[in-house]
Amino acid sequence: KNQVEQSPQSLIILEGKNCTLQCNYTVSPFSNLRWYKQDTGRGPVSLTIMTFSENTKSNGRYTATLDADTKQSSLHITASQLSDSASYICVVSASGNEKLTFGTGTRLTIIP
Amino acid sequence: DTEVTQTPKHLVMGMTNKKSLKCEQHMGHRAMYWYKQKAKKPPELMFVYSYEKLSINESVPSRFSPECPNSSLLNLHLHALQPEDSALYLCASSHRYPGASGTGELFFGEGSRLTVL
Repeated sequence: KNQVEQSPQSLIILEGKNCTLQCNYTVSPFSNLRWYKQDTGRGPVSLTIMTFSENTKSNGRYTATLDADTKQSSLHITASQLSDSASYICVVSASGNEKLTFGTGTRLTIIP
Repeated sequence: DTEVTQTPKHLVMGMTNKKSLKCEQHMGHRAMYWYKQKAKKPPELMFVYSYEKLSINESVPSRFSPECPNSSLLNLHLHALQPEDSALYLCASSHRYPGASGTGELFFGEGSRLTVL
C-alpha cells in the first residue's frame, strides 16, 4: 500500500530560526514528490516538485531534498518568518497514476 | 492566469437542502479534481475528470454528484447531506495526471467551507 509519513507532527520555532521537516514514502513506482504549504482553511499551494533525477530544489527560503534510494525527502526553511506558520504536506505520485498519496502534514508555528 | 476559483467560499445547508459547489479554471487544464478535507487531515480524493469525462469516483456516496459542463467548469451537486459531510471541499486542476510523464502540477482553489446542520 502506498504511504507517506511525515515528521514531526507539529513544530514550534522562533522567528528567524531554521527548521527541517521530514517525509518518508513507500509509493511505487515513484514518479515525483511535492511539498505543499497550506494555510488554515485555504487550499494547498505548491512549493516544489521533484522527479527521480532531482535531489535538491529551492524556492526562495524553501529547499527540498530527495533521496530516492532511501525514499526520504526533507523540506528546509531558512530564516523563518511569521507567515511561514502553516501546515506543510508532502505528496507523492506513482507513475501512470491519476492519484496522489498525501502525508498527514507537519503543523509549523513560528512565534515572534 | 494560474487560478482555480471556487464558489461559494462558505456554505451552510440543512440536511434536506440541495446546493452546488462551483469551480472554474482558465489554464487550459484537462484534468479536474474534487477533494474533501476534514480538519487536521490531508485532502481525500473524491472525483477526477479527464477531458470532461469522469475517470475516478472514489466510492463517494451518491448524495455527492459531480458534473463537468465544459473543460473550464466543475460542479459538485449536494443533496441530502449528513452533518459528517461538513468539511473543506477543494477543487484542483492539472495539465496532465500527477503520475504522467512530466510533473502534472496540481493547482488548488481556495476551497469551499461546507457546514451541514
